[in-house]
Amino acid sequence: DVKVTQSSRYLVKRTGEKVFLECVQDMDHENMFWYRQDPGLGLRLIYFSYDVKMKEKGDIPEGYSVSREKKERFSLILESASTNQTSMYLCASSASLSSGNTIYFGEGSWLTVV
Amino acid sequence: DQQVKQNSPSLSVQEGRISILNCDYTNSMFDYFLWYKKYPAEGPTFLISISSIKDKNEDGRFTVFLNKSAKHLSLHIVPSQPGDSAVYFCAASARKASGTYKYIFGTGTRLKVLA
Repeated sequence: DVKVTQSSRYLVKRTGEKVFLECVQDMDHENMFWYRQDPGLGLRLIYFSYDVKMKEKGDIPEGYSVSREKKERFSLILESASTNQTSMYLCASSASLSSGNTIYFGEGSWLTVV
Repeated sequence: DQQVKQNSPSLSVQEGRISILNCDYTNSMFDYFLWYKKYPAEGPTFLISISSIKDKNEDGRFTVFLNKSAKHLSLHIVPSQPGDSAVYFCAASARKASGTYKYIFGTGTRLKVLA
């Protein structure tokens, strides 16, 4: 079975804190993604990575950075958390870079910035 | 610019009847389409997909129809069950100039199946 694991389900952080969201997949997938989900806005892509140490900006990368040092692990970093980054964050992975591949999601991380 | 649109934020259907969820897209380069189901406080789970070379794909109670000329896809659930109550997202993928693939999601439709 496909497994994408997000280490933290619920976090509360203060404005200005540095936040790390960790994600691990066990399918040996090349591609990994970070999305955020907000009511009425659907799922919006923050960053994705198509290989170790490779990354590409998504639609809303501002205020975020990512790290992929190992194939199975993809981290999302909020350098200085702000209240407008309160959201549900979803990590996902998919197999090789071709169409017809399904994205598999983790269970999500609820982040509240106060 | 919303390339993938789900114009109905919510839908209520009686148990046992058909649920039809709709999705429109604007980019003719999309070549693969997916539907996901999401329960509150959980990640989306993959439901069914369709390639742009097909117009229909069926999996049990779920059928996805693709109308490329209208840039429209729909998800049919027959018969609907209370456990189908969730938010449904459609997604489309296309190859970017960089060679990578981009997945664009709609805003979701909340389905409520009434017992």
